[in-house]
Amino acid sequence: KAGVTQTPRYLIKTRGQQVTLSCSPISGHRSVSWYQQTPGQGLQFLFEYFSETQRNKGNFPGRFSGRQFSNSRSEMNVSTLELGDSALYLCASSLAGDREETQYFGPGTRLLVL
Amino acid sequence: GEDVEQSLFLSVREGDSSVINCTYTDSSSTYLYWYKQEPGAGLQLLTYIFSNMDMKQDQRLTVLLNKKDKHLSLRIADTQTGDSAIYFCAETPFVNYGGSQGNLIFGKGTKLSVKP
Repeated sequence: KAGVTQTPRYLIKTRGQQVTLSCSPISGHRSVSWYQQTPGQGLQFLFEYFSETQRNKGNFPGRFSGRQFSNSRSEMNVSTLELGDSALYLCASSLAGDREETQYFGPGTRLLVL
Repeated sequence: GEDVEQSLFLSVREGDSSVINCTYTDSSSTYLYWYKQEPGAGLQLLTYIFSNMDMKQDQRLTVLLNKKDKHLSLRIADTQTGDSAIYFCAETPFVNYGGSQGNLIFGKGTKLSVKP
């Protein structure tokens, strides 16, 4: 069974640009969550999608948005990039997002904003 | 607010036991997790414990929970060089919508170095 895949793996953008990251969950998984990992702030929750609906949202500005498609694949978009958006963006999937389920993480997309 | 704290570094010798500690502040019922992150990789769930439990054992891993002190620990028996990684403690508050695990609050991670 294929794991969680994220594309692209690496990305370099300049300030003011926008970026779209993609996450394909494990087949059959309907919950997809996104996290931002930085050396200073650590791992921070961005949002979670389940059956194409945003179910939870972290404390990030409106420049960060996401969506989920009917096949459970998810994208996150960051508009008007800032230097501080440089981070590793991790996506995780689980069957239904229940607390005791194993949440499987992808390898992440490393974004560098210049 | 919610916060999870961990010490940043731990160094042990191969074959010894490692104990990684974590404190959390959310007093409501919650699940607590331990994740492992190897260089260049995503996170791997090692184990989890519900807050009405005191201990959970899974092969070389033992999780101890002290609810009074809001203290969680992960003990790795017979630590191997392959255990070198960053270990994250995480919680999900009870009030989370729909009981979802999606909203995890992570500690900053403890870097475990295992010397041969």
